[in-house]
Amino acid sequence: GDSVTQMEGPVTLSEEAFLTINCTYTATGYPSLFWYVQYPGEGLQLLLKATKADDKGSNKGFEATYRKETTSFHLEKGSVQVSDSAVYFCALSDLRTGANSKLTFGKGITLSVRP
Amino acid sequence: DTGVSQNPRHKITKRGQNVTFRCDPISEHNRLYWYRQTLGQGPEFLTYFQNEAQLEKSRLLSDRFSAERPKGSFSTLEIQRTEQGDSAMYLCASSSNEQFFGPGTRLTVL
Repeated sequence: GDSVTQMEGPVTLSEEAFLTINCTYTATGYPSLFWYVQYPGEGLQLLLKATKADDKGSNKGFEATYRKETTSFHLEKGSVQVSDSAVYFCALSDLRTGANSKLTFGKGITLSVRP
Repeated sequence: DTGVSQNPRHKITKRGQNVTFRCDPISEHNRLYWYRQTLGQGPEFLTYFQNEAQLEKSRLLSDRFSAERPKGSFSTLEIQRTEQGDSAMYLCASSSNEQFFGPGTRLTVL
């Protein structure tokens, strides 16, 4: 079945540091890929997505590129802020018309950014 | 606010009791999902509705679990004879394309 693997955490960075969070996937079809974020005390929110190979999703300074050849969707940000402290989940889904577009999530990784 | 809402937000119950959670999706969304999230893990898919039809159930959804969406609007998830292993955050999401998540119901089984 489909699966998502995220790098082990937690991750602690100083403000303005560069962030990379690794994500690789296994899927039988041709999935869409997502990063969700969960801020303290809040629900899951979509951060960015990419629906086909070589697409780059971006939002709030975060970017991730859909790499079919390496089955990866690594999340990057050039300069993190304290407000980026949250739990980040990589996920995949089949968005074909009529398909059950359930999400398959990785375990998540906690990011803490120090001032 | 027209987001996904879930009630109650927290539920503490004793082992063996039945519990029911409610999810109110975004009104124009015809797809509704239930997920379960345990500590340190990502959400895991439980079941999926398209309108009022329950189209898929995960193997995680044992016979003690039942979900309904009677009129294709709100949904309920019932757990009968709760066990300590049922303690988790239960998340609901609705979508027309992208999934929007509710705040979840945290269940603690003592």
